Amino acid sequence: GAGVSQSPRYKVAKRGQDVALRCDPISGHVSLFWYQQALGQGPEFLTYFQNEAQLDKSGLPSDRFFAERPEGSVSTLKIQRTQQEDSAVYLCASSLGEVNTEAFFGQGTRLTVV
Amino acid sequence: QQQVKQSPQSLIVQKGGISIINCAYENTAFDYFPWYQQFPGKGPALLIAIRPDVSEKKEGRFTISFNKSAKQFSLHIMDSQPGDSATYFCAASPRSGGSYIPTFGRGTSLIVHP
Repeated sequence: GAGVSQSPRYKVAKRGQDVALRCDPISGHVSLFWYQQALGQGPEFLTYFQNEAQLDKSGLPSDRFFAERPEGSVSTLKIQRTQQEDSAVYLCASSLGEVNTEAFFGQGTRLTVV
Repeated sequence: QQQVKQSPQSLIVQKGGISIINCAYENTAFDYFPWYQQFPGKGPALLIAIRPDVSEKKEGRFTISFNKSAKQFSLHIMDSQPGDSATYFCAASPRSGGSYIPTFGRGTSLIVHP
């Protein structure tokens, strides 16, 4: 596709349930970022990949959060044992990396934990 | 710790007026300063960006002013239009691992009245 694609667009999870959020970056983009955006707030950094290597995961709020990008393309953000405070929009972005710094964002996955 | 401080939180202007949004940062390692525009239900989209070797950058009706010594930068929207109504985020990035990981401000909700 032409842009960053995220799925699902909306996810409702019961507290304690595990969820997996998918990101398809723009083809050829080396860098991939995950952000968490709470209602009325700016995006907060979660983690960053360069190809398949996870170079920075300092923003992951707890060990319940796990991200992977095994083949350097599609990425999955997994949240185990979801809690109500995990309710937010999860944004994925990609960029060419060193050649071009612009980060292109997907539309996000709105996660609601009930 | 909020690394990028943005103000105002909300802004209402009349059509044709000037919208001004201000940001300040602490980390002197930041060397790339993008502004993003976000419409409801969409991911942030890059609007305009500046590097610290330039004091001003203009693209159409949008201008970034940058004051390196004060560690401040601002977005000016000239001749504001109702279609500009959106949330605007400033961001700042250090160079990390060959890419730029944006740190976002909390956002400014802009409403332009017709």
